[in-house]
Amino acid sequence: DAGVIQSPRHEVTEMGQEVTLRCKPISGHNSLFWYRQTMMRGLELLIYFNNNVPIDDSGMPEDRFSAKMPNASFSTLKIQPSEPRDSAVYFCASSSLAGEVTGELFFGEGSRLTVL
Amino acid sequence: GDSVTQMEGPVTLSEEAFLTINCTYTATGYPSLFWYVQYPGEGLQLLLKATKADDKGSNKGFEATYRKETTSFHLEKGSVQVSDSAVYFCALRTSGTYKYIFGTGTRLKVLA
Repeated sequence: DAGVIQSPRHEVTEMGQEVTLRCKPISGHNSLFWYRQTMMRGLELLIYFNNNVPIDDSGMPEDRFSAKMPNASFSTLKIQPSEPRDSAVYFCASSSLAGEVTGELFFGEGSRLTVL
Repeated sequence: GDSVTQMEGPVTLSEEAFLTINCTYTATGYPSLFWYVQYPGEGLQLLLKATKADDKGSNKGFEATYRKETTSFHLEKGSVQVSDSAVYFCALRTSGTYKYIFGTGTRLKVLA
């Protein structure tokens, strides 16, 4: 079975440009998470969707960040305008939280963003 | 709030050495506990888990026991290999919630 699929794997852009990261969760999973990983702050939860609805976006840094999940098989994380401090690895993860108590998270391979 | 504290890295060991990575937690409810591993250039993947006190999770020679009395979930392996070099994350999730709380990660480097 395919895992969580993220694109692009690497993105290099200039400050001020719009960046869109994409995620396809595992089929049948009802929960989707976006995380950001940096050396300074480790792994940070940005936003959590359940059944395509944003439940908690308190981790989104500021209004420059937005996320959508138009259907159960696709999500985007957009940064507009991008800044050098947004440089990080962005992970998408999905899970089936309804039925399983332990609710393992399945991570994608990440999108490494570099903003010059 | 809930939190996870794990030992600072990096940890550097010779092949076949014994590994311990300490993890302690603070939680208001009854959490499930996890160890995730991140190999270079990859996402995190579940290594093992335990859902209640005294449970032992194990996988690929790694073990961790859920100790409620000491609020700990230390990761151990009797004989590490070069291929175990990675970053290890301790995490918890309180039952009935969606939030996973991750530790800061411990980098392990195993030398041949």
